[in-house]
Amino acid sequence: QVQLVQSGAEVKKPGSSVKVSCKAPGGAFSRSAITWVRQAPGQGLEWMGDIIPIFGSSSYAQRFQGRLTITADESTGTVYMELASLRSEDTSVYYCARGGHNTEYGMDVWGHGTTVTVSS
Amino acid sequence: SYELTQPPSVSVSPGQTARITCSGDVLTKQYVYWYQQKPGQAPIVVIYRDNQRPSGIPERFSASSSGTTVTLTITGVQAEDESDFYCQSTDSSGSLGLFGGGTKLTVL
Repeated sequence: QVQLVQSGAEVKKPGSSVKVSCKAPGGAFSRSAITWVRQAPGQGLEWMGDIIPIFGSSSYAQRFQGRLTITADESTGTVYMELASLRSEDTSVYYCARGGHNTEYGMDVWGHGTTVTVSS
Repeated sequence: SYELTQPPSVSVSPGQTARITCSGDVLTKQYVYWYQQKPGQAPIVVIYRDNQRPSGIPERFSASSSGTTVTLTITGVQAEDESDFYCQSTDSSGSLGLFGGGTKLTVL
C-alpha cells in the first residue's frame, strides 16, 4: 500500500509553532489536493485544511484560521502544515492525505501520521 | 458540536448486519465518504462519493441515503471489521471538509 511520507514526531512548548512535512512517493502530487487531518488522543478525526499544490490555493477550517498555514513546494513534491501558537489541546496525531473533501475517490492515500506533543 | 451526527457505538454479532448512520443537512447536497480506522493506523476509505466502493474493499460494505441521513451497511460482519468508522462530507459553505464524530463498531 502506497503511503505518503511524513516527518517525525515533535515535542513543542506552548506558544511555539510546529511544521510537519508530507511527501509523495516519487516526489509529485500531480493534480491531487492534499488534506491535513488531526486526531487528539482517544478522539475522532478533525479536518484541518487542504491545498491543491499546482494552484497553491489553501482552505482552512474556521477554528484554525490565523494559526494554520498549508504550503507546497512543487519542486520537491512536499506539502507542509504549520500550526502556530500551540497549546496543550493541539497535542494530536497529524495526518496528511491525498485527495480533498469532495474529490472523486476521497482521501485515498494517507501518511503514517506525525505525533505532535505540546507540553511545558 | 458536529454538522454530521453519528451514533457513538454500534454492536453486532459476527455474521449479522451492522448499520451505521450519519445525519446532517449538508448530506442532501454534498457527497459523503466513509473511512474505517483501526487502532494505531491511518484511516482508509471504504466508500467514496455516496455509494462507491474502492477496489480492494469487500462487497459486504455498502452505503445508501434517505434525506439527510446516510447509512453505511456491513453485511455479514466479521471480527476484523471491528473499527472506528467516520463519515465525511463538505460543510454548508461548500468549501471546507468535515467529519462526523465517529462510530465504534464492536463485534461481539
